Amino acid sequence: AQSVTQPDARVTVSEGASLQLRCKYSYSATPYLFWYVQYPRQGLQLLLKYYSGDPVVQGVNGFEAEFSKSNSSFHLRKASVHWSDSAVYFCAVINTGGADRLTFGKGTQLIIQP
Amino acid sequence: NAGVIQTPRHKVTGKGQEATLWCEPISGHSAVFWYRQTIVQGLEFLTYFRNQAPIDDSGMPKERFSAQMPNQSHSTLKIQSTQPQDSAVYLCASSAGNERLFFGHGTKLSVL
Repeated sequence: AQSVTQPDARVTVSEGASLQLRCKYSYSATPYLFWYVQYPRQGLQLLLKYYSGDPVVQGVNGFEAEFSKSNSSFHLRKASVHWSDSAVYFCAVINTGGADRLTFGKGTQLIIQP
Repeated sequence: NAGVIQTPRHKVTGKGQEATLWCEPISGHSAVFWYRQTIVQGLEFLTYFRNQAPIDDSGMPKERFSAQMPNQSHSTLKIQSTQPQDSAVYLCASSAGNERLFFGHGTKLSVL
């Protein structure tokens, strides 16, 4: 069965610093990969997705993620964080056929320090 | 487009009572998903429908949970004899079939 691991439950970063949130997946083939963000008291919103091709994908608000098949990883990055990036970030995977449901990691809470 | 609409936003029930949660997917979307979110377990898949047909309910606690999608404009999640461990945020999402999910704000269920 597919699974997603986000090893860091909470990450604290100073405003303006760079960010990396880690995600490892377990799946027999190459799945579709996603990062979702959940702002306080809001529903989950899609940040970016990877289906195939260039392993570095760009998302909204300056976020990007890099797919690594050899490491079974899909880490999220941002060059310079803003206080408004404070949220919970979820990595998710679905099989490439799409006829299945999204499996989420447990999420990483991002705290931005002034 | 109003997005995925979930009602109510908050529901408080007493132990043993029934709770019905409603979801209105985005018009034209063919798939509807239900997830449960807790601090401890994170986001747990419950069930999903495609073109109103139940496809996968492997995440549903079998005895007290049921879900229906009587028409393309809404789905319901019913929990009978609610227990304190059912307290969670229940999220509904819809998809046009291209793997991207659009989520509602969720229904926070509190069982006293």
